[in-house]
Amino acid sequence: TQLLEQSPQFLSIQEGENLTVYCNSSSVFSSLQWYRQEPGEGPVLLVTVVTGGEVKKLKRLTFQFGDARKDSSLHITAAQPGDTGLYLCAGGQTGANNLFFGTGTRLTVIP
Amino acid sequence: DVKVTQSSRYLVKRTGEKVFLECVQDMDHENMFWYRQDPGLGLRLIYFSYDVKMKEKGDIPEGYSVSREKKERFSLILESASTNQTSMYLCASSPPKYEQYFGPGTRLTVT
Repeated sequence: TQLLEQSPQFLSIQEGENLTVYCNSSSVFSSLQWYRQEPGEGPVLLVTVVTGGEVKKLKRLTFQFGDARKDSSLHITAAQPGDTGLYLCAGGQTGANNLFFGTGTRLTVIP
Repeated sequence: DVKVTQSSRYLVKRTGEKVFLECVQDMDHENMFWYRQDPGLGLRLIYFSYDVKMKEKGDIPEGYSVSREKKERFSLILESASTNQTSMYLCASSPPKYEQYFGPGTRLTVT
């Protein structure tokens, strides 16, 4: 069962552009993480959000957790080629030891 | 820094062989996970373990088994490798608060 849907699936943009990636679900999560995965490597944790409406900033990356804790977004300002990668969202639910991963958004930033 | 290591980055095995994938973490995490990652299918959970000698099936356990004799080590076993098990295998560990830390992955090819 796929609980988390990410959109868009693929995104190719020019360096300097802004973009937003979405992670949506009909389920409520107690926490939501975002990861970035580069080719041939494992995913690396970027951020965790736990409170509905929470906004976290990591340099040019802004993460938001929806008020109802069912969705999240990742906004990148002035994208750079180093932002290229697969972005994965993952939700945790109370009482569960595992995470539910989204299908991912593959971002390519063209110099 | 959390470090999760996997025994091989690349592995080529023949159909019918028994395959062992090893994962070691150095942060005393209770939880450890094995995923496979395939294009278009995202990360799929094979098995996870929340304590030594404890294991739970994930979404796709068929054809796989696991072993966790020590807290820091979690092994994935393909009893009789098949070509449809060609994939990227990712190990992760986490403390009880959900964030998962991934190893670099093992790209397994079964011929």
